[in-house]
Amino acid sequence: DGGITQSPKYLFRKEGQNVTLSCEQNLNHDAMYWYRQDPGQGLRLIYYSQIVNDFQKGDIAEGYSVSREKKESFPLTVTSAQKNPTAFYLCASSPLRQGINEKLFFGSGTQLSVL
Amino acid sequence: GNSVTQMEGPVTLSEEAFLTINCTYTATGYPSLFWYVQYPGEGLQLLLKATKADDKGSNKGFEATYRKETTSFHLEKGSVQVSDSAVYFCALSDRGNQGGKLIFGQGTELSVKP
Repeated sequence: DGGITQSPKYLFRKEGQNVTLSCEQNLNHDAMYWYRQDPGQGLRLIYYSQIVNDFQKGDIAEGYSVSREKKESFPLTVTSAQKNPTAFYLCASSPLRQGINEKLFFGSGTQLSVL
Repeated sequence: GNSVTQMEGPVTLSEEAFLTINCTYTATGYPSLFWYVQYPGEGLQLLLKATKADDKGSNKGFEATYRKETTSFHLEKGSVQVSDSAVYFCALSDRGNQGGKLIFGQGTELSVKP
C-alpha cells in the first residue's frame, strides 16, 4: 500500500539531546512537509522541500533541521536549541503540479515529549 | 499575510443534528480551500476542497461552498453521526509561492453524542 510512514509514534527527549523523527513516503511525491501541532493552535509549518537536496524554512524553523537526500525520505531533527519541543509532529507529502498544492497526504504523526 | 480563522470549539451535538463550522480566510490572490479531518491519534485526511469561487466541495455528506464575496468556506452536514467526532481544519493553499504550502486554521473539535 502507498502512504507515508512516520516513526516512532512516541519519542522522549532528554535535556540537551538532539532527536530525529523519521518520515518515509512511497507515493513518488516531489514535495514533503513537516508541521508541528500544539493544542488549540492548529498546524504550523517547520520546513518543506520541493525537490531532492533542497529545502526551505517554514514559519517556525528555529531549533529544527532537515535533510532531503532521497525523494522518499525527509527526516526532521529536533535540536537542543528548541526549548519547547513537546508537540505532535506531522509529516506530509504532495504531488505538486505547477507549484500548486492539490492535496496533502499526512503520516500518522509522532508525539514528542521532554523528560 | 494569508490566514485562516475558524470558529472555536469544542462543538457538541446530538446525533442527527445539523452541523456548521465557520471558516473565513484572508488571501491576496485566489487560493484553493480545503477541509481536513483528524481522528484521535492520527494524521489529517482531506475531507473536501474547492479551487475557485462558487465551487462546492462535498464528501461523506459534508459540503462547503467557496464564497469569495464573504471570504468564507463554512463546513456543513445535514445529519451528523457519532463517527463524525473529530477535529476539523480549514486550510488554504498559498498558491504561487513557498512550494504550495497550506495555511491551516486552529481546528474545531466536534463531539457527537448518541
